[in-house]
Amino acid sequence: DAKTTQPPSMDCAEGRAANLPCNHSTISGNEYVYWYRQIHSQGPQYIIHGLKNNETNEMASLIITEDRKSSTLILPHATLRDTAVYYCIVRVGGSNYKLTFGKGTLLTVNP
Amino acid sequence: NAGVTQTPKFQVLKTGQSMTLQCAQDMNHNSMYWYRQDPGMGLRLIYYSASEGTTDKGEVPNGYNVSRLNKREFSLRLESAAPSQTSVYFCASSEVEGSNQPQHFGDGTRLSIL
Repeated sequence: DAKTTQPPSMDCAEGRAANLPCNHSTISGNEYVYWYRQIHSQGPQYIIHGLKNNETNEMASLIITEDRKSSTLILPHATLRDTAVYYCIVRVGGSNYKLTFGKGTLLTVNP
Repeated sequence: NAGVTQTPKFQVLKTGQSMTLQCAQDMNHNSMYWYRQDPGMGLRLIYYSASEGTTDKGEVPNGYNVSRLNKREFSLRLESAAPSQTSVYFCASSEVEGSNQPQHFGDGTRLSIL
């Protein structure tokens, strides 16, 4: 699975959009981009995933660059409850078992 | 909608004691997983079950056993607990192993071994 690079921390004002970047320059054609978050003391929570098209669901939007070497997770209206560590994971679709969580980005939403 | 439920949420054991961590999912998923999370280490896969009736080792299986009791339930057993097994344990499930569908996690069991 390709490696990912994320900034260790980011801040965002409540009510503003939070844009979390992820670099995955060695991604291969059959690898999906997944985003999870982990709020303190809770289990990882799935947010969104995509292959090459932009994706949107009720939680967030995922923008993948045309060359697929980077992506951005967008939380359109961040709230205090969105403060968490966000993980970008690249994984081959159809591969088995483990997800490999890196260090992620600690997003702090400030009032 | 409960999703993945883990019991107990907290447990303290003495070295050498045994215990079973329980996990159940109500999403009709075929695949289930056990991970452990240690400070600064990220999540590491202990065992997984691609489908009912099958189990396989992950990265760190030593000291653990698992049972896929039925499609809903996947338990993790520590036969003789050691302080090195102090960790937070997460269970996860996914629709079908081998697809691109995501894994969904429970809220964890916090286990301390003295």
